[in-house]
Amino acid sequence: EAGVTQFPSHSVIEKGQTVTLRCDPISGHDNLYWYRRVMGKEIKFLLHFVKESKQDESGMPNNRFLAERTGGTYSTLKVQPAELEDSGVYFCASSHTPGQGSYEQYFGPGTRLTVT
Amino acid sequence: SQKIEQNSEALNIQEGKTATLTCNYTNYSPAYLQWYRQDPGRGPVFLLLIRENEKEKRKERLKVTFDTTLKQSLFHITASQPADSATYLCALDVDGSARQLTFGSGTQLTVLP
Repeated sequence: EAGVTQFPSHSVIEKGQTVTLRCDPISGHDNLYWYRRVMGKEIKFLLHFVKESKQDESGMPNNRFLAERTGGTYSTLKVQPAELEDSGVYFCASSHTPGQGSYEQYFGPGTRLTVT
Repeated sequence: SQKIEQNSEALNIQEGKTATLTCNYTNYSPAYLQWYRQDPGRGPVFLLLIRENEKEKRKERLKVTFDTTLKQSLFHITASQPADSATYLCALDVDGSARQLTFGSGTQLTVLP
């Protein structure tokens, strides 16, 4: 079974530019999550999809961040325009529906975003 | 405010000894507590989940305890090996759904040969 994949692995952009991160969850996982770890801080929740619907986006920092999950498969996270404080590692995770299997979340390797 | 603390940023132990990591939380009432392992350049990997009505959970050389009165979880690795060296993260669900996870900052464990 293929794991969660993320693309790109590393992105360096200038302040004011736009970047789009992509996540491919494990096949069959309805739940998809985005998290972020900024330097020196803990991993923080950004948002949660169930299939193509946003279930919880309480962690999204501001309206410069836009997440989509068209067709309930892969997801994209766009940052536009990027600011210096957006630098960090963005993780995607997927899971089965809690209560119908295990509760564990499977994480991708992350995308390291550097805004200069 | 809600807070999760892991006992130390770094822990060094000798191979063969038992490593004990601590996770304390305040102002939460989690239904589940999870432990993850993270290696450099990788995403977190799930290890164990313990429910609020469980005192202890074991998996091979790993053991987790959960004390909801003390608001504390202990994570033990027995007969530690250099391959156990990694950062270990505890994570709580926010609303009992095991969905949105709140992570501690992690403890970096180094097992010395």
